[in-house]
Amino acid sequence: DTAVSQTPKYLVTQMGNDKSIKCEQNLGHDTMYWYKQDSKKFLKIMFSYNNKELIINETVPNRFSPKSPDKAHLNLHINSLELGDSAVYFCASSQEARATIYFGEGSWLTVV
Amino acid sequence: GDSVTQMEGPVTLSEEAFLTINCTYTATGYPSLFWYVQYPGEGLQLLLKATKADDKGSNKGFEATYRKETTSFHLEKGSVQVSDSAVYFCGGGSTLGRLYFGRGTQLTVWP
Repeated sequence: DTAVSQTPKYLVTQMGNDKSIKCEQNLGHDTMYWYKQDSKKFLKIMFSYNNKELIINETVPNRFSPKSPDKAHLNLHINSLELGDSAVYFCASSQEARATIYFGEGSWLTVV
Repeated sequence: GDSVTQMEGPVTLSEEAFLTINCTYTATGYPSLFWYVQYPGEGLQLLLKATKADDKGSNKGFEATYRKETTSFHLEKGSVQVSDSAVYFCGGGSTLGRLYFGRGTQLTVWP
């Protein structure tokens, strides 16, 4: 039943490791996003894909690489994790421009 | 660039008090405006939205009116409950995917 689901929900890993967060939406939406929420709750868009094509790529280190195998999935791969990458990462989706964006429950990443 | 600015918290109220959380936007066009709510340990949920000037969004007793003349979208509720305790985010979006958020306002309601 979950509209936007992401895994894992919690991830604790050491600096320098490579990790992935997976996201799937069953809403039939064309557009998917990754947002980052820092420790002060500030939310910022990282990437957006429309029909598997990258359309927004904000100023994000190239250690972060999104991958969209199909329009229902958008995974986030992070190389060489750093302490500053610790945050909550939210996947989201929407049907079209100006449409409501639906968020997943978040993935809490802690880098130690 | 386009942005929203919302009242910084935290906001602490007693149950049944009146709530206002201010939000103003800066945009070159006419964005859609949203309020999202984040309960502890959860993701963001859409609370209400408005897509054009003078529209009023409402849900669960919360209301916000899109005011072009003051570029505002203030969130109000006449009588808050303990269960309303959460972080509230004002957001705007005018082009595909560019939903931008304010910094969030933590609301705590005491019984």
